[in-house]
Amino acid sequence: LAKTTQPISMDSYEGQEVNITCSHNNIATNDYITWYQQFPSQGPRFIIQGYKTKVTNEVASLFIPADRKSSTLSLPRVSLSDTAVYYCLVGRRAAGNKLTFGGGTRVLVKP
Amino acid sequence: DAGVIQSPRHEVTEMGQEVTLRCKPISGHNSLFWYRQTMMRGLELLIYFNNNVPIDDSGMPEDRFSAKMPNASFSTLKIQPSEPRDSAVYFCASRFQGANYGYTFGSGTRLTVV
Repeated sequence: LAKTTQPISMDSYEGQEVNITCSHNNIATNDYITWYQQFPSQGPRFIIQGYKTKVTNEVASLFIPADRKSSTLSLPRVSLSDTAVYYCLVGRRAAGNKLTFGGGTRVLVKP
Repeated sequence: DAGVIQSPRHEVTEMGQEVTLRCKPISGHNSLFWYRQTMMRGLELLIYFNNNVPIDDSGMPEDRFSAKMPNASFSTLKIQPSEPRDSAVYFCASRFQGANYGYTFGSGTRLTVV
């Protein structure tokens, strides 16, 4: 499994854009990049998944450069409710393949 | 869809007692995962099932832990006997083969062993 490295914590303010970069130098050809969000006292929640270039949904955007050795999760115009831990995971998308969570990035959005 | 349902939501038990955690995956999902989360160790995968069959239990801490999935709609994680160091939040997650989205987690069971 490819190892990921991401910042331990980040602070931001309401209305700002938050960008969290994850390094995964050993990503394999078949690996996808997936981000999860976890609020206190809740289970992780799937945010976005991508393989290359850019993926966007109603929650976030995921930017993946051509070499795929890193990825950036972008949260536009954050609010206080976006305060959470964000996990970057790398692995095959095949059914049943286990995902290993790292330490995540604790994002604190301030008023 | 009610999502992944876990019970109980909270459990407080005395050391040495048996504890059973329950999980109902999303209907149609054929992979089920048990995770444990603590401040010190983060989220750890304990065991996962595909089509009700245990595939990888290498994360199970020791023989005191056991998990079963008797059918596609129910799984249990049992700890016998429980110890204070087992105190954690235990999450169950399920996934559908071929889906392009990730796992769906339950709300977790917060276990406290005193």
